[in-house]
Amino acid sequence: EIVLTQSPGTLSLSPGETATLSCRASQSISSRYLVWYQQKPGQAPRPLIFGASSRATGIPDRFSGSGSGTDFTLTISRLEPEDFAVYYCQQYGDSLLTFGGGTKVEIK
Amino acid sequence: QVQLLQSGAEVKKPGASVKVSCKASGYTFSSYYMHWVRQSPGQGLEWVGIINPTGGTTVYAQKFQGRVTMTRDTSTSTVYMDLSSLRSEDTAVYYCAKSKDGFNPRFGMDVWGQGTPVTVS
Repeated sequence: EIVLTQSPGTLSLSPGETATLSCRASQSISSRYLVWYQQKPGQAPRPLIFGASSRATGIPDRFSGSGSGTDFTLTISRLEPEDFAVYYCQQYGDSLLTFGGGTKVEIK
Repeated sequence: QVQLLQSGAEVKKPGASVKVSCKASGYTFSSYYMHWVRQSPGQGLEWVGIINPTGGTTVYAQKFQGRVTMTRDTSTSTVYMDLSSLRSEDTAVYYCAKSKDGFNPRFGMDVWGQGTPVTVS
């Protein structure tokens, strides 16, 4: 099973700042199958980034993804009040899908 | 638009079974895999398994094998997740989520249901 480790667990930032979230895989994965989701309290997750770097429909360009192999990054530039949420990375390999433990982006 | 409408909240006793439904609309039901994901209170996301609506083939996470059954009804565009031998640790919100790509379920999930809370007590 491929384990995804997200860091930091919590990120305290102010609106307007840049958030950098990390997702590290226990073994190399195809970037084609690396996805980022955003989840707000009481809501279902919403897809942000597919294939490590392609924004989902309707996602603003302040969200960007990068990485390959075992190290992936989600960057949120110019944080808006609605961006404070929990973010999960996810991969699907060898008929098994796993999520990272999540990073909470909170208002400082 | 594409929508997934799940059944309502459930309260079950330990040892019982629960069946959650997910009705799809706005797209060709049989062309896209459907995932099930759960989230325990205050915890992260956990994948339960996946069903191919075309042939009904399934893949389950090892943790749930033997206790979970996923089925579909193509006449009503509905998928079902049945979880048996419930225990308190199964208390969670259960989501269905449509695969982004029709041929390859590995590209992720692009549309999610609203979630079904299941309480085991």
